[in-house]
Amino acid sequence: GAGVSQTPSNKVTEKGKYVELRCDPISGHTALYWYRQSLGQGPEFLIYFQGTGAADDSGLPNDRFFAVRPEGSVSTLKIQRTERGDSAVYLCASSPPGEPYEQYFGPGTRLTVT
Amino acid sequence: AQKVTQAQTEISVVEKEDVTLDCVYETRDTTYYLFWYKQPPSGELVFLIRRNSFDEQNEISGRYSWNFQKSTSSFNFTITASQVVDSAVYFCALSEVYAGNMLTFGGGTRLMVKP
Repeated sequence: GAGVSQTPSNKVTEKGKYVELRCDPISGHTALYWYRQSLGQGPEFLIYFQGTGAADDSGLPNDRFFAVRPEGSVSTLKIQRTERGDSAVYLCASSPPGEPYEQYFGPGTRLTVT
Repeated sequence: AQKVTQAQTEISVVEKEDVTLDCVYETRDTTYYLFWYKQPPSGELVFLIRRNSFDEQNEISGRYSWNFQKSTSSFNFTITASQVVDSAVYFCALSEVYAGNMLTFGGGTRLMVKP
């Protein structure tokens, strides 16, 4: 079946602009996670949804970052007033309901802030 | 707080050699899960294995094997008879059941297998 998809695959924006990154999880997966991966590092947790609600947003670096999942499926990560330090690959993952199953990752969105 | 350490940042081997990737973790929970993911040059993270904290039995899958030792908080990964296609960055990760199951990743080990 279809895996996790993310759009766009690449996004270049100017400092100070607003961006939206989209994640389409695997059908039936209730849990959705956003991670950020900087060059040469492991992914770092940003936010976790269980259904429509954000169950844990403790990884969001500041209030410029916000994510939604209004219908419990597609999620959008929103970044306001982008800064050069926001440049990274943003990864989305989903997992089925129940015990902690493996998370299935999308290909990521590479964000470059110039 | 949870932490995962992969001390080897880069390993280079010649094809057909065996190689072990080390992973050491820290957690205060008694119930947790450990994972290994592979990130090939294409960039997409590929799940390899999941183990829970109550199952210390080692596992073998083809050329891959994993050694989980709670006494040393380690979850090491061995590739037997390495192949060029094994070249990738490998990440070890930890999730705590009562902390939302988000993954805490190590810094990764870049494995280069030369022909």
